[in-house]
Amino acid sequence: DGGITQSPKYLFRKEGQNVTLSCEQNLNHDAMYWYRQDPGQGLRLIYYSQIVNDFQKGDIAEGYSVSREKKESFPLTVTSAQKNPTAFYLCASSRTFATNEKLFFGSGTQLSVL
Amino acid sequence: AQSVTQLGSHVSVSEGALVLLRCNYSSSVPPYLFWYVQYPNQGLQLLLKYTSAATLVKGINGFEAEFKKSETSFHLTKPSAHMSDAAEYFCAVGKQGAQKLVFGQGTRLTINP
Repeated sequence: DGGITQSPKYLFRKEGQNVTLSCEQNLNHDAMYWYRQDPGQGLRLIYYSQIVNDFQKGDIAEGYSVSREKKESFPLTVTSAQKNPTAFYLCASSRTFATNEKLFFGSGTQLSVL
Repeated sequence: AQSVTQLGSHVSVSEGALVLLRCNYSSSVPPYLFWYVQYPNQGLQLLLKYTSAATLVKGINGFEAEFKKSETSFHLTKPSAHMSDAAEYFCAVGKQGAQKLVFGQGTRLTINP
């Protein structure tokens, strides 16, 4: 089945530690996105990638980094510079980088601080 | 800049009753509008989208939404609620040329038996 796979489902970060969230898609989509979801705040865009080897900052990129070395993979690293990392992280993809395209979402990773 | 406001963070209806979830948007150009649904501990999935064709848009699971330019609204409705409709619903607005959707804060729908 085609889709987006996020792992792990739950992740715990210690103080000063970098952690990496995995996102893989087998939909052959060009565009991929990372969103952060906090209760009562909707989704906020962290980073997006229009095409392989390219990515752009979203609205809340500080304390995060990404790479897009392969079309199917878009990992997100939460660095120690992100002081409030506890949130639900959602990866998404779309066929192209166009506003009217449907977004396909993974099942999310819940990140908590120990 | 675009923005979207969902009126009511929680809505509760009885099974079989009308569902009405409100969404108002702000956009300087004709918008693209979306409704997504999120079931507990899952990602979002598209219910329906408006892209300047028909103003009444039909989606999955019996939901529909009407684009009203004069009211800058895109409210989501379903004539008869089912227990399986309990979820969180997000309205989102985008504009042509930029796949940077702006999401509302979400409305949690509860269905009472």
